[in-house]
Amino acid sequence: GQQVMQIPQYQHVQEGEDFTTYCNSSTTLSNIQWYKQRPGGHPVFLIQLVKSGEVKKQKRLTFQFGEAKKNSSLHITATQTTDVGTYFCAGSSGSRLTFGEGTQLTVNP
Amino acid sequence: NAGVMQNPRHLVRRRGQEARLRCSPMKGHSHVYWYRQLPEEGLKFMVYLQKENIIDESGMPKERFSAEFPKEGPSILRIQQVVRGDSAAYFCASSPSGTSYGYTFGSGTRLTVV
Repeated sequence: GQQVMQIPQYQHVQEGEDFTTYCNSSTTLSNIQWYKQRPGGHPVFLIQLVKSGEVKKQKRLTFQFGEAKKNSSLHITATQTTDVGTYFCAGSSGSRLTFGEGTQLTVNP
Repeated sequence: NAGVMQNPRHLVRRRGQEARLRCSPMKGHSHVYWYRQLPEEGLKFMVYLQKENIIDESGMPKERFSAEFPKEGPSILRIQQVVRGDSAAYFCASSPSGTSYGYTFGSGTRLTVV
């Protein structure tokens, strides 16, 4: 079955440093989505990428979808303490989303 | 415009009891998904339902677990004869049309089996 792998599992940064998480799928995806889950909270949809090579920005967040539509990345510039949480990618190649294991981001003030 | 409503937020059951978790999707959403999350882990797909139909239950354990989404009322995830290993957060999500749109998640039900 489809597998979605995400690295790193944990990332600790100082406030102001950049952060990147990477996502790889075992199969070609029709789209990829990114979610954020705050500690004790529920996943919240951030963005969806559909086109090969697509790049989207949301303020300090930059999302990329690979040319082969099998990998993606999320980059946060100049992290803030409000960025704390776990970031999940989720790939779609059928009837439902398969989530990666997530990258847990902690930001030291 | 209420989001996805899950109840209860917390549920404690003794081993061998039944757990019933409820999920009302967002208004206008007809696709419901259930995911399970263990502490410090990712979201594991369980089942995908539309009204009165189970579309994909490939993530559901074969025994003790069942799900439904009746014509009227919320979707129900039912776990019979719970065991300690069932302790987890169970999230329900809904979307207006499959995976072409982002999912809206409920706040989850934290199940603890004692």
